[in-house]
Amino acid sequence: QVQLVQSGAEVKKPGASVKVSCKASGYTFSNYGITWVRQAPGQGLEWMGWISAYNGNTIYAQKFQGRVTMTTDTSTSIAYMELRSLTSDDTAVYYCARDGQKTGDPCDYWGQGTLVTVSS
Amino acid sequence: QPVLTQPPSVSAAPGQMVTISCSGSSSNIGNNYVSWYLQLPGTAPKLLIYDNDKRPSGIPDRFSGSRSGTSATLGITGLQTGDEADYYCGTWDSILSAGVFGGGTKLTVL
Repeated sequence: QVQLVQSGAEVKKPGASVKVSCKASGYTFSNYGITWVRQAPGQGLEWMGWISAYNGNTIYAQKFQGRVTMTTDTSTSIAYMELRSLTSDDTAVYYCARDGQKTGDPCDYWGQGTLVTVSS
Repeated sequence: QPVLTQPPSVSAAPGQMVTISCSGSSSNIGNNYVSWYLQLPGTAPKLLIYDNDKRPSGIPDRFSGSRSGTSATLGITGLQTGDEADYYCGTWDSILSAGVFGGGTKLTVL
């Protein structure tokens, strides 16, 4: 069965970086993409970006351009999302989700989420 | 502010039907497939509807989706208390070149 298992909760200071991992299993990793979505406390879903696990192509939301890097390691079927220059506004649960190779494909399986808390 | 507009909340009695609207524009809903996601409290979102009106395997036919012009609608019949959750619409925006979500709708089954 398809599973996405994310790394554990993180507490970071303002200005630091965080790198969240998402280990995929149960399917051919390189045949799909990974989308990253975050959800601030009590708020809705926010699309951060997408990466093709086939060729590493990325599309980032303009809001995060220059501050986020998404990568994949096909040898281990792990996707990573690194967010830099953290502020308290980045406190949120970060989700990875499997989707297709085309932009706009639905996210059919989701990780359990990783809580990132930014606090001095 | 979310690109897609959803009502903040809807409610209905058990056994009844409810619809949740999602309004957008020609750059998103008007020309791209819409998905719907259900999020139970404290859990990750779950795909409910994709490609406007298709259900993944395991999703009961009580859930339906439709799209007309620049709006989409999620319908839920035979409401159960277990349907109480937040529902989100999502699609691609061709001008933003980004995925977009609605602000979410909280369903209360009275």
